[in-house]
Amino acid sequence: RKEVEQDPGPFNVPEGATVAFNCTYSNSASQSFFWYRQDCRKEPKLLMSVYSSGNEDGRFTAQLNRASQYISLLIRDSKLSDSATYLCVVKEGGGSYIPTFGRGTSLIVHP
Amino acid sequence: GAGVSQSPSNKVTEKGKDVELRCDPISGHTALYWYRQSLGQGLEFLIYFQGNSAPDKSGLPSDRFSAERTGGSVSTLTIQRTQQEDSAVYLCASSLGLAGGHYEQYFGPGTRLTVT
Repeated sequence: RKEVEQDPGPFNVPEGATVAFNCTYSNSASQSFFWYRQDCRKEPKLLMSVYSSGNEDGRFTAQLNRASQYISLLIRDSKLSDSATYLCVVKEGGGSYIPTFGRGTSLIVHP
Repeated sequence: GAGVSQSPSNKVTEKGKDVELRCDPISGHTALYWYRQSLGQGLEFLIYFQGNSAPDKSGLPSDRFSAERTGGSVSTLTIQRTQQEDSAVYLCASSLGLAGGHYEQYFGPGTRLTVT
């Protein structure tokens, strides 16, 4: 069974803190990786794709470790508006188009 | 540009009734997915359409669930003889769906279904 595991949290951090989430996946054939953000009672929205070389978008950095089969998301200088659930998404390559979603990690940023 | 739209946004129905949920994907997106999300739970894959290929129905929980995609665009998810456990948010997503592509999904706002 293909699995994507995340620590559900919640991670409760003060504004300005740096916080990191990990996500492990079981399928070594996985080739595409994403982080989505989901606000309460809203739909998931793409935060960033995760590339083999790692990538950064402002305060957000995503990394992939294929050997250990995990991806990570680092958020620097946390803002109140970063409070949300962060979903890890993993997809096989080749002919498979069905992504597997983690259950999400809840982040609460407080003043 | 226009994103994925879904209708209705909310639906309350009595147990045993049939419901139809609609999804309009982003224009040009060949791949369309249906998911459901129960309160506090992760996304559960239901069905996937890619172009004119036969849909992947492997996630449908029972034969009460079916979906169509007409003309490669709009999709309808139908739940027959609804049960209380069908209560959830039903999310539709679309993507470019190019073969071997590293593509992301764009979600609609969802339909919140409540079965009483």
